[in-house]
Amino acid sequence: EEQLVESGGGSVQPGGSLRLSCAASGFTFTRFAMHWVRQAPGKGLEYVSTISGDGRSTYYADSVKGRFTISRDDSKMYLQMTSLRAEDTAMYFCAKDLLEDTTRWGQGTLVTVSS
Amino acid sequence: QSALTQPASVSGSPGQSITISCTGTSSDVGGYNYVSWYQQHPGKAPKLMIYDVFNRPSGVSDRFSGSKSGNTASLTISGLQAEDEADYYCISYTGTSSPYVFGTGTKVTVL
Repeated sequence: EEQLVESGGGSVQPGGSLRLSCAASGFTFTRFAMHWVRQAPGKGLEYVSTISGDGRSTYYADSVKGRFTISRDDSKMYLQMTSLRAEDTAMYFCAKDLLEDTTRWGQGTLVTVSS
Repeated sequence: QSALTQPASVSGSPGQSITISCTGTSSDVGGYNYVSWYQQHPGKAPKLMIYDVFNRPSGVSDRFSGSKSGNTASLTISGLQAEDEADYYCISYTGTSSPYVFGTGTKVTVL
């Protein structure tokens, strides 16, 4: 069974850093582009970042460009978040195939940025 | 990249049909047949309901259908049921360096 499990969330002060992880299992991880999507409390879904299957291509939403870095190895995807702001407070989901019927999502990890 | 525009809320009685619109531009919704729709219940991960404008994933009820005209995509729910009460989001491919954009989300209420 395909599964995605996020970890690494927590509370951090403004200006701080945090590294999220997404562990994948049940499918050939390196064949698929992977994505991060976030959802602020009580708000809608927001696209964050994408990394290609081979890790060579990365894409970011304008709101996180220059502050967040997406990466991956053979079985995990990561999101290094720096210069965190209050508006980055959200549940962060990792996902496979955002637009296709082969999509899978994790259950999310909560990031809270507050002093 | 601005979020796609959806109505904040739509409601209907059991058995009725409702339609949720998702309006973008010729650079996203209007430019590609890569529009999907997600359903999200409180505290849950989103669930794919429609992909490639009108295709239904296996296991999704045929009460859900999708369409597109110009820069606006639509999700129709026929024979509305209590379990359909949820938030719905569209998402489109944009072909830019920020390649995906979500809609603002629509809360569906079954009266």
